[in-house]
Amino acid sequence: ILNVEQSPQSLHVQEGDSTNFTCSFPSSNFYALHWYRWETAKSPEALFVMTLNGDEKKKGRISATLNTKEGYSYLYIKGSQPEDSATYLCASGGYQKVTFGTGTKLQVIP
Amino acid sequence: NAGVTQTPKFRVLKTGQSMTLLCAQDMNHEYMYWYRQDPGMGLRLIHYSVGEGTTAKGEVPDGYNVSRLKKQNFLLGLESAAPSQTSVYFCASSYTPTSPQGYTFGSGTRLTVV
Repeated sequence: ILNVEQSPQSLHVQEGDSTNFTCSFPSSNFYALHWYRWETAKSPEALFVMTLNGDEKKKGRISATLNTKEGYSYLYIKGSQPEDSATYLCASGGYQKVTFGTGTKLQVIP
Repeated sequence: NAGVTQTPKFRVLKTGQSMTLLCAQDMNHEYMYWYRQDPGMGLRLIHYSVGEGTTAKGEVPDGYNVSRLKKQNFLLGLESAAPSQTSVYFCASSYTPTSPQGYTFGSGTRLTVV
């Protein structure tokens, strides 16, 4: 993996469904993995910053895991709500700066 | 607390004109970044600064210059605007790149070069 890649690009889920997205990143020279939530017409807002292999973070219904050895992170949303509709960005990199993926656009259908 | 403030919010330039985008933060953050966002490309780093008086190139620095004369301000300059610089520009800041709070972003500047 040379760049930060996110999958899927987009998905639609029904209200109440649980879902997850993947972020793949170069495992060499790794310092941190960020997850952001980006609502339309707003600015990205930080969800999690993870640095250690095996890290797990949780905020309400949203959680994330990190595997630095194989270069991936998962973001989970439990019981999706319409207000969870947004683009979810991940970013990874060295100490001074990170590279962003292109995001996963989530649409939660009421 | 204003956070990160970007000015202006919108601007239309003619090819060859110059302009400066201002980013101001009131959180005493050391690190500041300028990104551009284009459809299908995600956020791409233009320039960044690791402290007052420092600047460094990111992924797409050509055609842009920056200055960080004061810790709270990070200026992005376009000396001779080109249509390829039509984009939405975001400024961000952080204590460190690994701080738990992550980056704080400004609300963006939509620039159109005609």
